[in-house]
Amino acid sequence: GNSVTQMEGPVTLSEEAFLTINCTYTATGYPSLFWYVQYPGEGLQLLLKATKADDKGSNKGFEATYRKETTSFHLEKGSVQVSDSAVYFCALTKGGGADGLTFGKGTHLIIQP
Amino acid sequence: DAGVIQSPRHEVTEMGQEVTLRCKPISGHNSLFWYRQTMMRGLELLIYFNNNVPIDDSGMPEDRFSAKMPNASFSTLKIQPSEPRDSAVYFCASSLGGYDTEAFFGQGTRLTVV
Repeated sequence: GNSVTQMEGPVTLSEEAFLTINCTYTATGYPSLFWYVQYPGEGLQLLLKATKADDKGSNKGFEATYRKETTSFHLEKGSVQVSDSAVYFCALTKGGGADGLTFGKGTHLIIQP
Repeated sequence: DAGVIQSPRHEVTEMGQEVTLRCKPISGHNSLFWYRQTMMRGLELLIYFNNNVPIDDSGMPEDRFSAKMPNASFSTLKIQPSEPRDSAVYFCASSLGGYDTEAFFGQGTRLTVV
């Protein structure tokens, strides 16, 4: 079946540091890939997505590239801010929005001023 | 739009009691999903509906769990009888459906079974 593996953290960085959160997946066919973010006490929000190989999703300074050859979708940001502190989830779905999402365990990111 | 609305936000109940969680999806969305979040297992898809019809309930852990979607604007997730291991945050999400559409999540219901 489908699965997503990501570093669980917590990941602690200083403000303005470079961020990478690794994500790899296992799926048959050609899944769509997503990063969701969860702030304390809230539901998940879509951060970015990519639907085919070599696509790059980007939003709010975050980027991730769909790498089919390495089955990866690593999240990066060049300069993090304290407000980026949250839990980040990598996820995939086979059928776009019509199917449910398979999530990784989540990575807790803490940014210190 | 108010987004996906879940109620209650918090629920504390005693073991053996029936619990009903409620969800109002975003108007016009055709797909609805129920997820459970725990520290041990992370986020798990329990069941999802397309056009009010249950499509995949393979994630429902036991027969004690049931979900309904009587119309396009309302869904329930019921646990009867509840057990302490059901304690978790339950999320409802909705999407337009079809390929490559974003799922919008509610704020979740934190369930504690004592």
